[in-house]
Amino acid sequence: AQTVTQSQPEMSVQEAETVTLSCTYDTSESDYYLFWYKQPPSRQMILVIRQEAYKQQNATENRFSVNFQKAAKSFSLKISDSQLGDAAMYFCAYNSPQGGSEKLVFGKGTKLTVNP
Amino acid sequence: DTGVSQNPRHKITKRGQNVTFRCDPISEHNRLYWYRQTLGQGPEFLTYFQNEAQLEKSRLLSDRFSAERPKGSFSTLEIQRTEQGDSAMYLCASTQFGTLIRSSSYNEQFFGPGTRLTVL
Repeated sequence: AQTVTQSQPEMSVQEAETVTLSCTYDTSESDYYLFWYKQPPSRQMILVIRQEAYKQQNATENRFSVNFQKAAKSFSLKISDSQLGDAAMYFCAYNSPQGGSEKLVFGKGTKLTVNP
Repeated sequence: DTGVSQNPRHKITKRGQNVTFRCDPISEHNRLYWYRQTLGQGPEFLTYFQNEAQLEKSRLLSDRFSAERPKGSFSTLEIQRTEQGDSAMYLCASTQFGTLIRSSSYNEQFFGPGTRLTVL
């Protein structure tokens, strides 16, 4: 079974600084996707960034980028120039087209606090 | 289309009562997922539909839980004889499955705001 582990329950960063959230996963499948979702307090979950396992290039979306280390099964999220609006729970997630359902498997999340 | 909607947003019930939640997916999406999120945890998969067919159910989905998606549009999740352990956020997500081209939005699941259930 696939598992996703986020070892940092909480992180904090100063506004305008950079923070990195860690995620490791375990799978035996060769074709899969990795995601970072953001869940602000009392608001719905939104996709921040995604990475296809077959792509060697790390995904970037504006201030958000990932460090995808396939051999190490590591998938960290870097947030540059942190803003107050980045404060939220961040979930690392995995899915695979090989499973049929493409259901998402989530980590336990990291609560990010942004200090002004 | 304004995205995935869920109703009610909050539900408080007494142990032993039945509750039903509704999810309206993005209109063109053929797949609909239900997840459960307990405090301090990430969402866990419960079940999913492709059109009106329920194709997989998690072992978390006990026989007190039932889900439907009539006509492949909205979905309902019913919990019978609720227990305090059912208290959680129930999330719905939808996606368009089956596109041949892996576009930038391939298999992205769009989430609703969730229904928070409290069982007293």
